[in-house]
Amino acid sequence: KAGVTQTPRYLIKTRGQQVTLSCSPISGHRSVSWYQQTPGQGLQFLFEYFSETQRNKGNFPGRFSGRQFSNSRSEMNVSTLELGDSALYLCASSLSSSSYNEQFFGPGTRLTVL
Amino acid sequence: AQSVTQLGSHVSVSEGALVLLRCNYSSSVPPYLFWYVQYPNQGLQLLLKYTTGATLVKGINGFEAEFKKSETSFHLTKPSAHMSDAAEYFCAVSDPGGGNKLTFGTGTQLKVEL
Repeated sequence: KAGVTQTPRYLIKTRGQQVTLSCSPISGHRSVSWYQQTPGQGLQFLFEYFSETQRNKGNFPGRFSGRQFSNSRSEMNVSTLELGDSALYLCASSLSSSSYNEQFFGPGTRLTVL
Repeated sequence: AQSVTQLGSHVSVSEGALVLLRCNYSSSVPPYLFWYVQYPNQGLQLLLKYTTGATLVKGINGFEAEFKKSETSFHLTKPSAHMSDAAEYFCAVSDPGGGNKLTFGTGTQLKVEL
């Protein structure tokens, strides 16, 4: 069974630009969560989508948004990029939105903002 | 609000020695507990989880953890370290009924020496 895929794997942008990251979950998984990983703040939850609806949202500004499509694929968008948005963005998929489920993580997209 | 504390950002052990990585949590309700491992340039992989039932949980690669409610701890152990165990380990909690939002500790980098 194919794992979680994230595209692109690496991205370089400049301040003020916007970026869209993509995540394809494991086949059959309906929940997709996004996390930001930085050396300073560690792993922080961004949001979770389940059946095309945002189920949970972390404490991030409105510049961070996401969506989920009917095939469970998800995208996250960051507008007006800041230097501090440089991070590894991880996507995780799960069968459902039940908190006891295992989440399967993708390899991440490393975003560098110059 | 939930929080996770991992004591020791860096732990070094000799190959064949006991591995002990500490995790304490703070939560208003008994949470679900997870240990993840991250190898360089990769996503996170689930080692084990505690949801309900037996408090001693066995995971992959010979790791196990014990949930101690009275101590609000979920320490990770492995009887004999192997070079391939060198990685970063994250303890995480989720709120039962709170969807797939994981709150992570700051991580412990495990180094295994010959």
